[in-house]
Amino acid sequence: KQLVQSGPEVQGPGASVRVSCRASGFTIDYSAVHWVRQARGQRLEWIGWIVVGSGYTKFAQKFQDRFIFSVDRSAGTAYMELNNLRSDDTAVYYCAAERGDSTGMDVWGQGTTVIVSS
Amino acid sequence: DIQMTQSPSSLSAFVGDRVTITCRASESISNYLSWYQQKPGEAPKLLIYSASSLQSGVPSRFSGSGSGTVFTLAISNLHPEDSATYFCQQSYNTRSFGQGTKVEIK
Repeated sequence: KQLVQSGPEVQGPGASVRVSCRASGFTIDYSAVHWVRQARGQRLEWIGWIVVGSGYTKFAQKFQDRFIFSVDRSAGTAYMELNNLRSDDTAVYYCAAERGDSTGMDVWGQGTTVIVSS
Repeated sequence: DIQMTQSPSSLSAFVGDRVTITCRASESISNYLSWYQQKPGEAPKLLIYSASSLQSGVPSRFSGSGSGTVFTLAISNLHPEDSATYFCQQSYNTRSFGQGTKVEIK
């Protein structure tokens, strides 16, 4: 069981980026997919989640305005879009599946590095 | 938002030692607490969920305890491969992580 994320991105300030997260070896249909980011040397920051079965999304308060989550169940793939990029968005972005009710994020993607630089 | 605070920020111990890491929540989170291990350049790995339940495949030298606002991760018989950063995470109200505890082997 694994989540496979798309490759690294380098974008300028104000641009948008889309990161994909494809399930392999299991179905994400009954999962919540979380998105977490980590700037170099910093703590993990929870961005939000999408409940795959319903499409319900929830964001941490500081991330409510520029992030969009979506899912293509037929492709077993979740997506995170971040708009109006800023330099402080430079980080590794992880997707992680939680397959039970508050049972922890038990399957993680390998991470996608997003660099925002002019 | 619920704030999670870990202590210590780092520790150093010998192979075979028992180490403990504490995580405090800014309000009661019942037992909605998970622990993760992260090695440099890798994604986090789930160790413990529901405060004390061991994730499948995780060695039994890892254990978790606590409820309410104070939680503990213990590693008994420390192995060299346990050198990593450990994070706690609450799932009582959305999600949030502690700042991490770096465990080094002397």
